[in-house]
Amino acid sequence: GNSVTQMEGPVTLSEEAFLTINCTYTATGYPSLFWYVQYPGEGLQLLLKATKADDKGSNKGFEATYRKETTSFHLEKGSVQVSDSAVYFCALSDPDDYKLSFGAGTTVTVRA
Amino acid sequence: DTAVSQTPKYLVTQMGNDKSIKCEQNLGHDTMYWYKQDSKKFLKIMFSYNNKELIINETVPNRFSPKSPDKAHLNLHINSLELGDSAVYFCASAPRPPREAFFGQGTRLTVV
Repeated sequence: GNSVTQMEGPVTLSEEAFLTINCTYTATGYPSLFWYVQYPGEGLQLLLKATKADDKGSNKGFEATYRKETTSFHLEKGSVQVSDSAVYFCALSDPDDYKLSFGAGTTVTVRA
Repeated sequence: DTAVSQTPKYLVTQMGNDKSIKCEQNLGHDTMYWYKQDSKKFLKIMFSYNNKELIINETVPNRFSPKSPDKAHLNLHINSLELGDSAVYFCASAPRPPREAFFGQGTRLTVV
């Protein structure tokens, strides 16, 4: 079946540091890939997405590239802010599957 | 105008009680989900509906019964609540696989 493996946290960074969260996936078909963010006490918001190989998703300074050869979709941001403190989830959706499969989530804390 | 809304946001109840959580989406999506998020933030699919039809029932105890009166609504009824049911429950909708899902704000259920 489909699965997502995500870098374990928690991750603590200083403001303006570089952030990378690794994500790899296993899928039988050609999935779409997503990063969701969950701020404290809130629901999940879509951060970015990529629907086919070599697509780059970007939003709010975050980027991730769909790499089929390495089955990866790593999230990066060049300079984090305190407001980026949240839980980040990597997810995939398969054309034949009526669900999103999520990674375990990575808690990121950015200190001023 | 909230896209996916669920009520209530907080629910505190005693063991053995029966409770319901309501979910409505105004996005015109065909697919709706219930996810459970545990204390470690792990997200697990519970149910998936497509056009009011149950597609996925992911080994959830039969004390949990979803009901979809129409495409815009997916309610969750829980009988005989147990301490282990304490979690955050998220409703979500999606236009069709493999598109991204839009999440409600969550219902924090506490069983005492």
